[in-house]
Amino acid sequence: GESVGLHLPTLSVQEGDNSIINCAYSNSASDYFIWYKQESGKGPQFIIDIRSNMDKRQGQRVTVLLNKTVKHLSLQIAATQPGDSAVYFCAETPNYGQNFVFGPGTRLSVLP
Amino acid sequence: DGGITQSPKYLFRKEGQNVTLSCEQNLNHDAMYWYRQDPGQGLRLIYYSQIVNDFQKGDIAEGYSVSREKKESFPLTVTSAQKNPTAFYLCASRQQGAGNEKLFFGSGTQLSVL
Repeated sequence: GESVGLHLPTLSVQEGDNSIINCAYSNSASDYFIWYKQESGKGPQFIIDIRSNMDKRQGQRVTVLLNKTVKHLSLQIAATQPGDSAVYFCAETPNYGQNFVFGPGTRLSVLP
Repeated sequence: DGGITQSPKYLFRKEGQNVTLSCEQNLNHDAMYWYRQDPGQGLRLIYYSQIVNDFQKGDIAEGYSVSREKKESFPLTVTSAQKNPTAFYLCASRQQGAGNEKLFFGSGTQLSVL
């Protein structure tokens, strides 16, 4: 029943390496950004978020970087594990979450 | 166990048939959303509701209808007017107000046409 990510860009990394997933956003007025992880046939899970008054935020094994000058967001995953294999997508909103714009996503494939 | 429950997980629609997708949340969230997900595309907003008995059209509302009679429930009906209904449908909710932007998602319903 998979309908997600059939034609997405794919990033393949070796287990244990670091992963960097990129996202270009469109609205310079966006002030809040989220990264989600979506496994096949499941709903998106929150990973990490960041507000526009920050340029970096760290979580457990994940870091989000925000470059407002070029409207670019990245997600870094340290020591990538097989369980990290999924589709990752970013979302932006300019108005306190009333209307999110979602990126198409990147498929992360972790090689043993 | 708090969260958002979508049912059924898989649904098949015949020509000319209306089908309803269920979404229930026990997070006490004010706002609820329905998104459509197609391969290779970002989520697209169908309808959203910020309060009981009120809802607004999203970007792709044609061929869909919703109701919000209870805070915890936001069912989506895919009508026969929706000519290309095959997609993965996601329900989401969040609390209202600044500082509560994070969307929580259900596990989705895959709708296919017979």
